[in-house]
Amino acid sequence: QVQLVQSGAEVRKPGSSVKVSCKASGVIFSNYAINWVRQAPGQGLEWMGGLIPIFGTTHYAQNFRGRVTISADKSTSTAYMELSSLRSEDTAIYYCARVGGISYFFDNWGQGTRVTVSS
Amino acid sequence: DIQMTQSPSSLSASVGDRVTITCRASQNISTYLNWYQHKPGKAPNLLIYAASTLQNGVPSRFSGSGSGTDFTLTISSLQPEDFATYYCQQSYSILYRFGQGTNLEIK
Repeated sequence: QVQLVQSGAEVRKPGSSVKVSCKASGVIFSNYAINWVRQAPGQGLEWMGGLIPIFGTTHYAQNFRGRVTISADKSTSTAYMELSSLRSEDTAIYYCARVGGISYFFDNWGQGTRVTVSS
Repeated sequence: DIQMTQSPSSLSASVGDRVTITCRASQNISTYLNWYQHKPGKAPNLLIYAASTLQNGVPSRFSGSGSGTDFTLTISSLQPEDFATYYCQQSYSILYRFGQGTNLEIK
């Protein structure tokens, strides 16, 4: 059974960075893309970007290019999302999700990590 | 980027009602369209992929249709546990944009 377990809640000051982890189990990590999605308070789901571990390629939403870095450590089956130059609007719950199937759907999700940006 | 537009943005309905949510893509995405249900405090849950294929374990009262640019999610008979926010998502492009969501509330 596929499980994605994310790191715990974080509090950061404006201008700083945060790095959230997502550890996969029950799956061959390199075979599936991992993507990151966030939901800010009162807002909808926002796709941030993703990584294909077997190729090492990344792709990012226009809104986050230059501020987000998605990476992976294949030896520990863990993906990471680092967001820099944090501002209050980055306060949100951040989810990792696995891309499954030939139609590319997000079929397994982490439990979410709350990131609060506050001075 | 492919833009996804959902309507309505919110919807009030009663248990037993039939509801339909629509999603429009800004360009032809064939059937690369997924639907998710999201409840507060939980991770989103995949309902339908490839426009009309029900994910394992999802009740048959959920159905999806469409291709090209226009898609629908239908719940045939609302149950209390169905009140949530629903999102469409395109997977034709690797830039996996979501629609803005439809908040389904109890009337």
